[in-house]
Amino acid sequence: EVQLVESGGGLVQPGGSLRLSCAASGFTFSRLEMNWVRQSPGKGLEWVSYISSRGDSTYYVDSVKGRFTISRDNAKNSLYLQMNSLRAEDTAVYYCARDFSDSTGSYYRAFDIWGQGTMVTVSS
Amino acid sequence: DIQMTQSPSSVSASVGDRVTITCRASQGISSWLAWYQQKPGKAPKLLIYAASSLQSGVPSRFSGSGSGTDFTLTISSLQPEDFATYYCQQANTFPPTFGGGTKVEIK
Repeated sequence: EVQLVESGGGLVQPGGSLRLSCAASGFTFSRLEMNWVRQSPGKGLEWVSYISSRGDSTYYVDSVKGRFTISRDNAKNSLYLQMNSLRAEDTAVYYCARDFSDSTGSYYRAFDIWGQGTMVTVSS
Repeated sequence: DIQMTQSPSSVSASVGDRVTITCRASQGISSWLAWYQQKPGKAPKLLIYAASSLQSGVPSRFSGSGSGTDFTLTISSLQPEDFATYYCQQANTFPPTFGGGTKVEIK
């Protein structure tokens, strides 16, 4: 079964740090591009970060640049998000999401597989 | 960044109704658009990619159309399991951006 399972969320004080993990199974993780997407309570979806299949290319939404770092370990089938200098506005459910690639290998920059999400709460 | 505007923000409909949701991009995105369905407490589910391509396993009552700046998601005959929130997402340029969502509620 194709699956993504996030972990590492929790309650952290403003200015603190957290490291989120996403364990992938059921597909060849090393071949696919990955993302983090978040959703603040009762709000819409916000893409946070992207990483290429080999980890040599990354992108971030402006609001987290310089504070968050995306990485991956293809040997461990795992995706990570290191979050530093956390702010109240970073409070959200964080999802890891796989970039959709069709049978021809074409990418569509849509997200076809999502984890169940992990809650991050930034509060004193 | 490309802004995505969905309308309406909510719609009340009955089982069997035809429902249309609109998404407008602040600049042209060709056909680089996806649609998602999200139910409370669950992760989003990909319905449509490339504006009109149905994701595997998604019922054929869902369809997408449009290109450039204006897009539509249509549910041809609303089923009980379709009551949810729907989001569009542009996939043309980084950062990928989502619309604000359309909640489809029971009338």
